[in-house]
Amino acid sequence: GAVVSQHPSWVICKSGTSVKIECRSLDFQATTMFWYRQFPKQSLMLMATSNEGSKATYEQGVEKDKFLINHASLTLSTLTVTSAHPEDSSFYICSAREVGRDSTDTQYFGPGTRLTVL
Amino acid sequence: LAKTTQPISMDSYEGQEVNITCSHNNIATNDYITWYQQFPSQGPRFIIQGYKTKVTNEVASLFIPADRKSSTLSLPRVSLSDTAVYYCLVGDTRSGDKLTFGTGTRLAVRP
Repeated sequence: GAVVSQHPSWVICKSGTSVKIECRSLDFQATTMFWYRQFPKQSLMLMATSNEGSKATYEQGVEKDKFLINHASLTLSTLTVTSAHPEDSSFYICSAREVGRDSTDTQYFGPGTRLTVL
Repeated sequence: LAKTTQPISMDSYEGQEVNITCSHNNIATNDYITWYQQFPSQGPRFIIQGYKTKVTNEVASLFIPADRKSSTLSLPRVSLSDTAVYYCLVGDTRSGDKLTFGTGTRLAVRP
């Protein structure tokens, strides 16, 4: 299957700082990527849809000024958590949508980024 | 977006076949059914996707009845390493539909 990477895999930062997480589709181009957040023992919650060359679409309750998303190329989307606070500590996971030549349409997920804000 | 319902947890023993059923009563005509596996502190891994009848790959089979209101993921001869959370998702991915995760099924495989 297609491969999606994330960097960094984990990050610890001080409260008030900003953290950037990268999501890359390694062997396919993705016009659409998605960002999720997952708290312990819970399911994934969609935060936003990232479309290459246009503004991201945020889910209700997700602050777009706090979670900045940039999808500047067909293989890279970034999520920046601005002025992070301890309540932002979570597991952040991205996915990339692959449209296959056989008309298959599948989302592949990255390995996730563990963010801990002190 | 079609809502899905799965059992919260299941137990099995090594070597057994495991069938996890997902209900999606309001599935739309263009919706596909996709299953993912997730281990702790990892992103979900794609298992299988289907629209109707039966789909099989090297790791699992997906059975979808004619009315498509449910689907069953079948894992043949599970091992301890299959202990994970399994998610059933339904959506029109070909139109860019976003996927909404439910609670998933926590499968525990015992020796």
